[in-house]
Amino acid sequence: GQQVMQIPQYQHVQEGEDFTTYCNSSTTLSNIQWYKQRPGGHPVFLIQLVKSGEVKKQKRLTFQFGEAKKNSSLHITATQTTDVGTYFCAAQGSARQLTFGSGTQLTVLP
Amino acid sequence: DAGVIQSPRHEVTEMGQEVTLRCKPISGHDYLFWYRQTMMRGLELLIYFNNNVPIDDSGMPEDRFSAKMPNASFSTLKIQPSEPRDSAVYFCASSLVPGNTEAFFGQGTRLTVV
Repeated sequence: GQQVMQIPQYQHVQEGEDFTTYCNSSTTLSNIQWYKQRPGGHPVFLIQLVKSGEVKKQKRLTFQFGEAKKNSSLHITATQTTDVGTYFCAAQGSARQLTFGSGTQLTVLP
Repeated sequence: DAGVIQSPRHEVTEMGQEVTLRCKPISGHDYLFWYRQTMMRGLELLIYFNNNVPIDDSGMPEDRFSAKMPNASFSTLKIQPSEPRDSAVYFCASSLVPGNTEAFFGQGTRLTVV
C-alpha cells in the first residue's frame, strides 16, 4: 500500500514560534490530506491538496504540495497553545485505502 | 447527522475474552474504515469496506480479528480471544470517496486488555 513518511516525530516550540512538519512519499501521490488530532481526541480533517505545487492557507496554517507531488508540508506561523496536537498527512493508496503518516506531535510551551 | 458513532467509548476486558467494537457510519458514506492507534505503531488501517463489502483486510493483525458490515449503517470489529497487546484506541471512519473527500472519524474506543 501507499506509504508516507512524516518528520519530525515530535516538536516542542515556544508559543509564538513557527512550526513545520513534512510528509514524503517515494511515489507520486494523486492528492494528499492533512488531519489534526487533539490530545485524547480523534483525527479531524484540515485540508486536501490536489495540484502540483499547490499552496493553501487557513489563517496561520500554510499547506504545500510539492511540484513532483511526492512531498507536502504544513507550516504554522506564530504557534498558539490551541495548536497543540498531532498532525497527520494521509494519502490515497492504489486500492483507495487512506494511509496515514506517522504524525508529528506538536507541543507548544506557554 | 450526528457523525460517526462508535461504542463503547471505553472497554476493559480480561485476556482471553471476546471484544466487540461497534460503528455507525455517516449516512450515505459508501466507505467505512477501521483503524488502530498505538504509540508504537501510530494509526494503522486494519480493514475497509465499500458498500458493505470488505475490500482490503491486509491490515488485520491475525485471525483473532474479524470485521463485518451487515448493512450500510452498522459495522463491528471483533477480537476473539483478546490479548494485552491488543490494547489500543480503535477508530472507525467513513467517507464518500476516500482520498478525494475527507474521512470522518468517530470518537474511538479505548480498549484495555488486562
